Amino acid sequence: GAGVSQSPSNKVTEKGKDVELRCDPISGHTALYWYRQRLGQGLEFLIYFQGNSAPDKSGLPSDRFSAERTGESVSTLTIQRTQQEDSAVYLCASSLFDSGANVLTFGAGSRLTVL
Amino acid sequence: GNSVTQMEGPVTLSEEAFLTINCTYTATGYPSLFWYVQYPGEGLQLLLKATKADDKGSNKGFEATYRKETTSFHLEKGSVQVSDSAVYFCALSDGTGANSKLTFGKGITLSVRP
Repeated sequence: GAGVSQSPSNKVTEKGKDVELRCDPISGHTALYWYRQRLGQGLEFLIYFQGNSAPDKSGLPSDRFSAERTGESVSTLTIQRTQQEDSAVYLCASSLFDSGANVLTFGAGSRLTVL
Repeated sequence: GNSVTQMEGPVTLSEEAFLTINCTYTATGYPSLFWYVQYPGEGLQLLLKATKADDKGSNKGFEATYRKETTSFHLEKGSVQVSDSAVYFCALSDGTGANSKLTFGKGITLSVRP
C-alpha cells in the first residue's frame, strides 16, 4: 500500500485480556519496527524485524509481549494478560535504506486503553 | 548504550519568532541523525536528516547541522508559523545501512501563537 497501515486504530480492553495489534508495512520495505508511546513520553523501542534475520527483541518490556512477522509482510504484536501500564499508542514503522540513512515511515498507531 | 537528550518543553512562541530546539546524543561510531515531527492527530513523519559530520539537513524552513565535536543536532527555524505547532523528536540510528534501529529523544511540544 501507499503507507504503513495499522489496526485497530483504537482498542479498549479489560485488564487481564489478550490483545493483538496488526501492522501492514509499505510493500518492498524489508525492515519493520514496533515502538510504544506512552502519554507524555518519547518513543520506546520494542522489536525490530529485518528480512530473514532473527528479530531484535531487546526492547520488549516483559514476556507478556511478543511479535511475529510473516516474510516481509504483515506483523502482529501480541500483549497477553494486559495491565493498565500497557496503555499507550503502539506505533509500527517500516523502512527503506535511502541516501545513506535508514528512514522510517510510521503508521498512525494503535491506541490501547486497558481498564 | 545510545541515547538522545532533548531540551525540556513545552515551548511556546509567537508567530515569526526564531526557534531553536536543542538535541544532543551519545553513540558509538558514526550514527545518522534525524528530526521527526508529529502534527496534531497525525503520525510521525521525517522532517530532516543528516548522515555524517558537518552535514546540514533542511526541510520546510527547518535546518539542523550534525556537529560531531559537540555531539549535537539542534533544530532551527528563522520564522515559525502557527502550522509548525507539533511535537518534535530527535533521533539517531545505531549502526549502518538497513540493519539499524532508531533511538528517539522524549520529544518536545511546540506551540506557536498567532
